[in-house]
Amino acid sequence: GEDVEQSLFLSVREGDSSVINCTYTDSSSTYLYWYKQEPGAGLQLLTYIFSNMDMKQDQRLTVLLNKKDKHLSLRIADTQTGDSAIYFCAEKGTAAGNKLTFGGGTRVLVKP
Amino acid sequence: NAGVTQTPKFRVLKTGQSMTLLCAQDMNHEYMYWYRQDPGMGLRLIHYSVGEGTTAKGEVPDGYNVSRLKKQNFLLGLESAAPSQTSVYFCASSSPGQPTTEKLFFGSGTQLSVL
Repeated sequence: GEDVEQSLFLSVREGDSSVINCTYTDSSSTYLYWYKQEPGAGLQLLTYIFSNMDMKQDQRLTVLLNKKDKHLSLRIADTQTGDSAIYFCAEKGTAAGNKLTFGGGTRVLVKP
Repeated sequence: NAGVTQTPKFRVLKTGQSMTLLCAQDMNHEYMYWYRQDPGMGLRLIHYSVGEGTTAKGEVPDGYNVSRLKKQNFLLGLESAAPSQTSVYFCASSSPGQPTTEKLFFGSGTQLSVL
């Protein structure tokens, strides 16, 4: 079945850029997503990218997609303490029902 | 704006007990999902539903049953709880369409411990 992999932890200083990486195996992925989970809460959609795009920018967020290598990254510019959270990469295949396959999540800790 | 509401928020069960987790959404979404979240394993899909009266198995369905008798509600049942079912359970809903409308809306989770 589909598999999505992420590194477990990232520590970054406030004001620096954060880069979170993700790899996936499903070559039929249509959309790839980044979700953010703050402590004690459910996941919230941060951004997404269509599989025929290679870059998408949304304010401080930049998503890069290398479809050949099945590699997705999320760059957060000027990282703030409020960006401390768990970030999940997810991919949507072609099956009906909007089913997403999630990675294990990357815990980002922003240090002042 | 209630969105997706899960009840209860916390529960402790003994091995072999049964319980039902309730998920309710007020966004008229067609699709609903139950995920479980375990440390380092992300979210894994248990069961999902693409419409009232229909359900389907996800990645880890064993030990769980679901029902979608009303469009706005999706129930997750544990008939005989096991310690391996200790987890945080998330319900989500979405609608078909463009990616911004297909995004999943999540509830705030249910922390379940099985002793």
